[in-house]
Amino acid sequence: EAEVAQSPRYKITEKSQAVAFWCDPISGHATLYWYRQILGQGPELLVQFQDESVVDDSQLPKDRFSAERLKGVDSTLKIQPAELGDSAMYLCASSLGLEGTTDTQYFGPGTRLTVL
Amino acid sequence: GENVEQHPSTLSVQEGDSAVIKCTYSDSASNYFPWYKQELGKGPQLIIDIRSNVGEKKDQRIAVTLNKTAKHFSLHITETQPEDSAVYFCAAKVTLGDMRFGAGTRLTVKP
Repeated sequence: EAEVAQSPRYKITEKSQAVAFWCDPISGHATLYWYRQILGQGPELLVQFQDESVVDDSQLPKDRFSAERLKGVDSTLKIQPAELGDSAMYLCASSLGLEGTTDTQYFGPGTRLTVL
Repeated sequence: GENVEQHPSTLSVQEGDSAVIKCTYSDSASNYFPWYKQELGKGPQLIIDIRSNVGEKKDQRIAVTLNKTAKHFSLHITETQPEDSAVYFCAAKVTLGDMRFGAGTRLTVKP
């Protein structure tokens, strides 16, 4: 069964450092999502891509966060500089991206970020 | 925007009993309602979903019901097993909007 891949699984960094997370969606999935999940809460959308284009980044803190999906396949989420409040699970999800429909989102295992 | 509330936050049942988790949503345009199961240290896994043109859907021991008039939907797990222990999230989505999640329910099934 195809899965969303993410790396690293765990990342510990000091505040003010830069961190990057990588996601490889299920093959053929046009839509890719990055979510942030704070401990004890549900995931919250940070950014959504349709192929290589950003569809929604309204919740992305653009002063320190950036995301790209250059070739419309895998994606990188970067934080620079990291702050203590960024400690969370960063989840990537993908879906087929069929126009005009709501299709199922499949999540990867996540990257657990701890900022010291 | 959409707001999803989920209850209870924790639920403990005896093995073999049923478990029910309830969610309400605010945006009447929401038309897709998935349920995810998240085990410790893992990403959410879709267990069942329902669309607004259906009132109920069942998959073995798991069922979801949707009441669009009241804007609430529920997850029902029958004959619970210890491996059902996890955090369960409901979510709601409008076609061209982002998916909003509830705060989660930690289910514990005691053997």
